[in-house]
Amino acid sequence: DGGITQSPKYLFRKEGQNVTLSCEQNLNHDAMYWYRQDPGQGLRLIYYSQIVNDFQKGDIAEGYSVSREKKESFPLTVTSAQKNPTAFYLCASSIIWVRGSVPDTGELFFGEGSRLTVL
Amino acid sequence: SQQGEEDPQALSIQEGENATMNCSYKTSINNLQWYRQNSGRGLVHLILIRSNEREKHSGRLRVTLDTSKKSSSLLITASRAADTASYFCATDAEVQGAQKLVFGQGTRLTINP
Repeated sequence: DGGITQSPKYLFRKEGQNVTLSCEQNLNHDAMYWYRQDPGQGLRLIYYSQIVNDFQKGDIAEGYSVSREKKESFPLTVTSAQKNPTAFYLCASSIIWVRGSVPDTGELFFGEGSRLTVL
Repeated sequence: SQQGEEDPQALSIQEGENATMNCSYKTSINNLQWYRQNSGRGLVHLILIRSNEREKHSGRLRVTLDTSKKSSSLLITASRAADTASYFCATDAEVQGAQKLVFGQGTRLTINP
């Protein structure tokens, strides 16, 4: 089945450690996204990528890094520089339509999330 | 600043009643999308409505969009206990020179059996 897979589902990290969250999609989508969700809150964009080997910072990129070496993969590294990393992390993918000169974000397909806890 | 804001933050109704959630936004948009999230799970897309559309239906869901008021509403008719979830609106708009999908804080809906 086509979809988007995140791993691990739960992750515990000691302060000062880097951790990498995996995100893989087989939907052939060009765009991929990482969001952070804190309890009772909406989603905040960390990084996004619209094409292989290119990505842009979102609203809260500090302390995070990403790579997009393959179309189907967009791993997120939470570095020790991230001051408050405990959160629920969601990866998503989408197609992008271009109508005239305006890109139009289609529906996002989400993974099941990764819950990171710093001990 | 938050692009999309949902109202109310929480809503509790009896099974069979209709549930209405509202979303307001600040800038011009290409489209507006509604998502559902069950506790501890990923989001699931419900409906996308484009800026030139005023109303869309999908099963028991009805979405309206008023671009003059920069607002949208999601109506769930004949609610069921399984509709209990958080509902988010997301606006596709240009923010600080980049095209982004920005999510609101969500409405937490509880359907009481």
